[in-house]
Amino acid sequence: AQSVAQPEDQVNVAEGNPLTVKCTYSVSGNPYLFWYVQYPNRGLQFLLKYITGDNLVKGSYGFEAEFNKSQTSFHLKKPSALVSDSALYFCAVRAAYSGAGSYQLTFGKGTKLSVIP
Amino acid sequence: DAGITQSPRHKVTETGTPVTLRCHQTENHRYMYWYRQDPGHGLRLIHYSYGVKDTDKGEVSDGYSVSRSKTEDFLLTLESATSSQTSVYFCAISESLQGNYNEQFFGPGTRLTVL
Repeated sequence: AQSVAQPEDQVNVAEGNPLTVKCTYSVSGNPYLFWYVQYPNRGLQFLLKYITGDNLVKGSYGFEAEFNKSQTSFHLKKPSALVSDSALYFCAVRAAYSGAGSYQLTFGKGTKLSVIP
Repeated sequence: DAGITQSPRHKVTETGTPVTLRCHQTENHRYMYWYRQDPGHGLRLIHYSYGVKDTDKGEVSDGYSVSRSKTEDFLLTLESATSSQTSVYFCAISESLQGNYNEQFFGPGTRLTVL
């Protein structure tokens, strides 16, 4: 079974400081990894994904994520946080194979990011 | 929200009543999904569809059924609503390519309260 862990329920960071939201995963074989953001009373918005290739993936709104296969991690980062980045962030994983149930995306429980002015 | 609408957006119902939620897309994407979001659980997949009349169960399918008679519509039915089904329900869609690594796009959600 595949799973995602986001070890921090909440992350607080000062505006202008770098931010990191942590994610570790477990799948059989190679992973496809995703980050989504959810603003209050809205649906999830796609930020970025890792499929293959360069371990550093760049996405929307200045976010990036680093894939580390040995540590089974896919941490979300941004060099300089904005107050408008305050939201709920979800990491998700899917096994990179084609078979029964392979369409299923497993989400972490989410991390609330608060950027303090 | 990527050409996806959900209706109703809010609903309050009583235990034991049937409830149907609708997801409508204008993107002509093959795959459609229903999730529920609950505090402390993130998003959990209820059912998904990989084509018209082709559906399968997700992680938390008990008490739910789905139907997809047209590419653009995916219905989620609670045959007899229970208080444990109080949640926010999200529909999502994704395109189909070899490897199926495309991201999912989410609708605005339906907040359902079962009293």
